Amino acid sequence: EPEVTQTPSHQVTQMGQEVILRCVPISNHLYFYWYRQILGQKVEFLVSFYNNEISEKSEIFDDQFSVERPDGSNFTLKIRSTKLEDSAMYFCASSESATVSYNEQFFGPGTRLTVL
Amino acid sequence: GIQVEQSPPDLILQEGANSTLRCNFSDSVNNLQWFHQNPWGQLINLFYIPSGTKQNGRLSATTVATERYSLLYISSSQTTDSGVYFCAVVAGFQKLVFGTGTRLLVSP
Repeated sequence: EPEVTQTPSHQVTQMGQEVILRCVPISNHLYFYWYRQILGQKVEFLVSFYNNEISEKSEIFDDQFSVERPDGSNFTLKIRSTKLEDSAMYFCASSESATVSYNEQFFGPGTRLTVL
Repeated sequence: GIQVEQSPPDLILQEGANSTLRCNFSDSVNNLQWFHQNPWGQLINLFYIPSGTKQNGRLSATTVATERYSLLYISSSQTTDSGVYFCAVVAGFQKLVFGTGTRLLVSP
């Protein structure tokens, strides 16, 4: 069964460093998403991406964050200068469509980011 | 924005027991999904159920969109059912808004 994959599974970085989290969405999906979950809290939406553009973003997704689809398979989240509060599990998700009639999202296993 | 509330926040069951988890949402929705977050943190899709009833093995779900709630039923619970169950909805465009979850512990 097709699935969303993410690398790395764990990333430890020093405050102020740049990190890039990578995702390979399900191959026929057109909509891509990043969410994050701070330890013990609920999952929060960061950004959605379609047709090589951001289609929606939350207030969390400030200028420190960027997303890119550098090739036909990968979808990346970059954090330019990490802060302690960026420590969280980051989930990538994808969906085949985003219409009212069908927009089920499938999640990857997550990347646990720890900022020291 | 839309509010999603789940109850109960915590649930402890003996293996073999049945349970019902509830998700209330404050506005009409285009999408409702139930997830199980396992002890490794992975989010497992359980149901895509903006309305109606679905069953998958020991699990079933019902969404009554007009009354703005969804229920997840777990029958004959097993220790592997332990984890956190999240309900998430799409009210507008694409973003899923998650509830705070129900933490389930099934003891042998």
